[in-house]
Amino acid sequence: AQTVTQSQPEMSVQEAETVTLSCTYDTSESDYYLFWYKQPPSRQMILVIRQEAYKQQNATENRFSVNFQKAAKSFSLKISDSQLGDAAMYFCAYRSPYSGGGADGLTFGKGTHLIIQP
Amino acid sequence: DADVTQTPRNRITKTGKRIMLECSQTKGHDRMYWYRQDPGLGLRLIYYSFDVKDINKGEISDGYSVSRQAQAKFSLSLESAIPNQTALYFCATSGPVNEKLFFGSGTQLSVL
Repeated sequence: AQTVTQSQPEMSVQEAETVTLSCTYDTSESDYYLFWYKQPPSRQMILVIRQEAYKQQNATENRFSVNFQKAAKSFSLKISDSQLGDAAMYFCAYRSPYSGGGADGLTFGKGTHLIIQP
Repeated sequence: DADVTQTPRNRITKTGKRIMLECSQTKGHDRMYWYRQDPGLGLRLIYYSFDVKDINKGEISDGYSVSRQAQAKFSLSLESAIPNQTALYFCATSGPVNEKLFFGSGTQLSVL
């Protein structure tokens, strides 16, 4: 079974600065998908960014980018020009392309609480 | 209207009561999921379903049951609620495995 580890329970950053959230995962599969979800106080789960393991190019969505290191099984999220609205829980998640056998959907890390200091 | 709708949004119940959480979707997806979120533990999979006749246990299915009444409806039941089932529950749907999951807005359940 795959596992996802987020080693930073909480991070704090000044508004307009850059912050990086860490995520590592363990898998024996060569093909898979990785996601970062944001959960603001409204508790809605919002997709931030998605990465396909077979793509070497790091995914980017506006101020959000990832550093995907497949060999190291690392998938960190960088938020540039942090804004107050970025304050939320951030979850890293893994998805296998193979369903069944007791597993499907996303495997989540425990989350990182991001605080934005004005 | 939301693509994935969960009811109720909040629920308080007592130990030993039977409770059902409901989920419906308009995405037309075959795959549906129930997750539980606890502070500091992230989201953990309770049950998932590929279609009406294909239901599978997830990581933490003990104490829960599910019913897939139609492609669009997937309900989660707690036959006899206990306090450690107090949590935020999410329903989600998915198309192909290379796509994201679409989440409902969650049900905050408190068992007293």
